[in-house]
Amino acid sequence: SQKIEQNSEALNIQEGKTATLTCNYTNYSPAYLQWYRQDPGRGPVFLLLIRENEKEKRKERLKVTFDTTLKQSLFHITASQPADSATYLCALSDSSYKLIFGSGTRLLVRP
Amino acid sequence: DAGVIQSPRHEVTEMGQEVTLRCKPISGHNSLFWYRQTMMRGLELLIYFNNNVPIDDSGMPEDRFSAKMPNASFSTLKIQPSEPRDSAVYFCASSISLQGTDTQYFGPGTRLTVL
Repeated sequence: SQKIEQNSEALNIQEGKTATLTCNYTNYSPAYLQWYRQDPGRGPVFLLLIRENEKEKRKERLKVTFDTTLKQSLFHITASQPADSATYLCALSDSSYKLIFGSGTRLLVRP
Repeated sequence: DAGVIQSPRHEVTEMGQEVTLRCKPISGHNSLFWYRQTMMRGLELLIYFNNNVPIDDSGMPEDRFSAKMPNASFSTLKIQPSEPRDSAVYFCASSISLQGTDTQYFGPGTRLTVL
């Protein structure tokens, strides 16, 4: 069956460091991969989208990579700040346009 | 734009009661999605609509769940009868269309507790 895995353990890093979050998937051939941010008590908010034929996408301090051979996406936040603390969700979509979400990884940035 | 609006924000009900959750998508968006989020199962897609027509309801857990979209600016998700295992946060999201590159905009969610 299709499976999307994100590290369930929280990632705890020092302010100013680079945070790297991982999204792995199996039995799936996504055309697109998206990353969302979710704060407590709020709905997910879109951050970045990367297509299957793209290796890397950047937006300000954010960078996403997509390796369809490894079936993995990495999400990086450079120069992290306490305000970056949140849960980050990856989501995959194929030609059916349905988004399948991972369970998310909680990021905590210490000042 | 006010974004996606959901009501109520919190709902506490007793087992067996009917529950109706409401959603107003962003004006101009043609696609609407209902999700359920729990600690155990994460964010699950229940059903989605395009141009007010249900496209895929394969995520609806049981016949107790039903959803309607009578017009472009309103949708409901109904649970009848409700059960304690339905307790979760229910999100509504909308997007411009069903293109894979379209961003989904989520509402604030309705936290449902069934006693």
